[in-house]
Amino acid sequence: SQTIHQWPATLVQPVGSPLSLECTVEGTSNPNLYWYRQAAGRGLQLLFYSVGIGQISSEVPQNLSASRPQDRQFILSSKKLLLSDSGFYLCAWSVGTGQGAWQPQHFGDGTRLSIL
Amino acid sequence: LAKTTQPISMDSYEGQEVNITCSHNNIATNDYITWYQQFPSQGPRFIIQGYKTKVTNEVASLFIPADRKSSTLSLPRVSLSDTAVYYCLVGDEDSNYQLIWGAGTKLIIKP
Repeated sequence: SQTIHQWPATLVQPVGSPLSLECTVEGTSNPNLYWYRQAAGRGLQLLFYSVGIGQISSEVPQNLSASRPQDRQFILSSKKLLLSDSGFYLCAWSVGTGQGAWQPQHFGDGTRLSIL
Repeated sequence: LAKTTQPISMDSYEGQEVNITCSHNNIATNDYITWYQQFPSQGPRFIIQGYKTKVTNEVASLFIPADRKSSTLSLPRVSLSDTAVYYCLVGDEDSNYQLIWGAGTKLIIKP
């Protein structure tokens, strides 16, 4: 079965500290991978997407970066966190390249990040 | 990029059929319509996707009129566990994955 793992579930970090959130996918090959951020009571904002190993596209300029060292691993990082980086971070995936394929089919359970 | 408009909230009762309508007036030819369900502190869950006419699966139906400027998610015989936020998403492969998520519709099911 297809599964997506995302950790940690909750994270509290001081301003200026580094960040590393990891996401792994099981049960599928060559997925399209996504990192989203969701503010309280709002819709999702796409941060990064990847169609293959080492291929990262950024949608929103910010102090975050993403990497895809393996086919089913997607990492969200920051060297120095800002207060504005607080939010609910979600990893997602989809497969294929046809019409409708770019709308994520599965999401992880998210990481609640609080910056103090 | 297609923008969607949904009601902010809806109430219904257990056992009723619930219809949530999404407006997407500037939908493009290649755009697909996808609906998601989200519970608090969880990631969205894919419910159903369609391009035109009617699509049905084990949990919902999606009705899309001929002009495709709106779509309606239909949940048959809802239960308390269907209380969640529902998102309508419109997009295609040519939009560089930048799909616009609205605030969704908060559906509250009462006993």
